Amino acid sequence: QVQLVQSGAEVKRPGASVRVSCKASGYVFDNYAIIWVRQAPGQGLEWVAWISTYNGNTEYAQMMQDRVTVTTDTSTKTAYMEVRGLRSDDTAVYYCARVVSERPNSNWFAPWGQGTLVTVSS
Amino acid sequence: SYVLTQPPSVSVAPGQTATITCGGDTISGRYVHWYQQRPGQAPVVVVFDDNDRPSGVPERFSGSNSGNTATLTINSVEAGDAADYYCQVLAFSGDRWVFGGGTRLTVL
Repeated sequence: QVQLVQSGAEVKRPGASVRVSCKASGYVFDNYAIIWVRQAPGQGLEWVAWISTYNGNTEYAQMMQDRVTVTTDTSTKTAYMEVRGLRSDDTAVYYCARVVSERPNSNWFAPWGQGTLVTVSS
Repeated sequence: SYVLTQPPSVSVAPGQTATITCGGDTISGRYVHWYQQRPGQAPVVVVFDDNDRPSGVPERFSGSNSGNTATLTINSVEAGDAADYYCQVLAFSGDRWVFGGGTRLTVL
């Protein structure tokens, strides 16, 4: 079945970097973009980044664009998100999701990975 | 940037109908998608492209989109429908993927 499996929880010091992986299976990886969304404790969903698995084009949320980089490895069907200069308010569950676009101007997300908790604490 | 507004909470008795709104400027011009998130779990899409359901989602879940408001309707609410619900659209500029703030559905 179609699924995304993410790497495990991380604990980082302020100022450090973290890389989260997202391994896809059950579908043609190049046919669907990957999106990254985060959720701070007790808060809502917040878009972080988007990457085309076809050509590597990326887009980043304005609030994080200078600290985050997303990449893919098509040989292993894995997407990666790196966040640099971690701050305490980066503490969140980070999700990857497959982007479904069956109509123009329509992007929805399914499935989602199980989430990766990144804790930033001194 | 584009803003989506949802009520923080909605409460409904079992068997009744729950209505969750998502407000946005001329939202009818965009496709709206709805996600259900149970505690400790990843979100799952329940309605996409305004009013389509993925396979496996009960017919009790439906959506509509008109003017400045999109609506998720859950008929014959069950205890298992208790969750947070988020609307989402693709914006035309700025941060392109936008979520509403989420609505907690409580089943009394």
